[in-house]
Amino acid sequence: NAGVTQTPKFQVLKTGQSMTLQCAQDMNHEYMSWYRQDPGMGLRLIHYSVGAGITDQGEVPNGYNVSRSTTEDFPLRLLSAAPSQTSVYFCATRDSFSNQPQHFGDGTRLSIL
Amino acid sequence: GIQVEQSPPDLILQEGANSTLRCNFSDSVNNLQWFHQNPWGQLINLFYIPSGTKQNGRLSATTVATERYSLLYISSSQTTDSGVYFCALHWGATNKLIFGTGTLLAVQP
Repeated sequence: NAGVTQTPKFQVLKTGQSMTLQCAQDMNHEYMSWYRQDPGMGLRLIHYSVGAGITDQGEVPNGYNVSRSTTEDFPLRLLSAAPSQTSVYFCATRDSFSNQPQHFGDGTRLSIL
Repeated sequence: GIQVEQSPPDLILQEGANSTLRCNFSDSVNNLQWFHQNPWGQLINLFYIPSGTKQNGRLSATTVATERYSLLYISSSQTTDSGVYFCALHWGATNKLIFGTGTLLAVQP
């Protein structure tokens, strides 16, 4: 999807390892968010940000940290990975100041052994 | 919290057939999006539709906000329409996106 870049696309971790999922956007959107998608389910909101320096929790925030130091980047950190965090992670952005839809990155497929 | 239900959960069509997917929601919403998740996992925006009807080629969507439902119509289906269709609601002061559980569509040649 144009404008929202997620890296890496795939990652395998061992239990207890840490890692950061990257999300970058070039659309100057204020609103950014992270979702996880588990098999057979829709997406659930983990954390979101309405602008640089402002973050808040979504439905399933436990085990994840975020920060927003710039408008462009919104990394998601797993401090101590657990098998329950095996999922596909999506980053999304939206221009908060106009009536526009959310745009999603292509996702990061994360497996924790 | 707000509840979002999609029906049917699964649908198998022959190429060329038409279908209607439904999304019911339990509370007033700011807006509603329909997505197609293709077999590669990408989420594609189809419609952003708080009310009324929109059309894009073989697809159209209607949202009746006062009755808390939205419909997605697919006409003359093609195998490339296969995948999962999600409705998602923009809800609350920060427009959080709340997803339904999706409709899995398989279009057979």
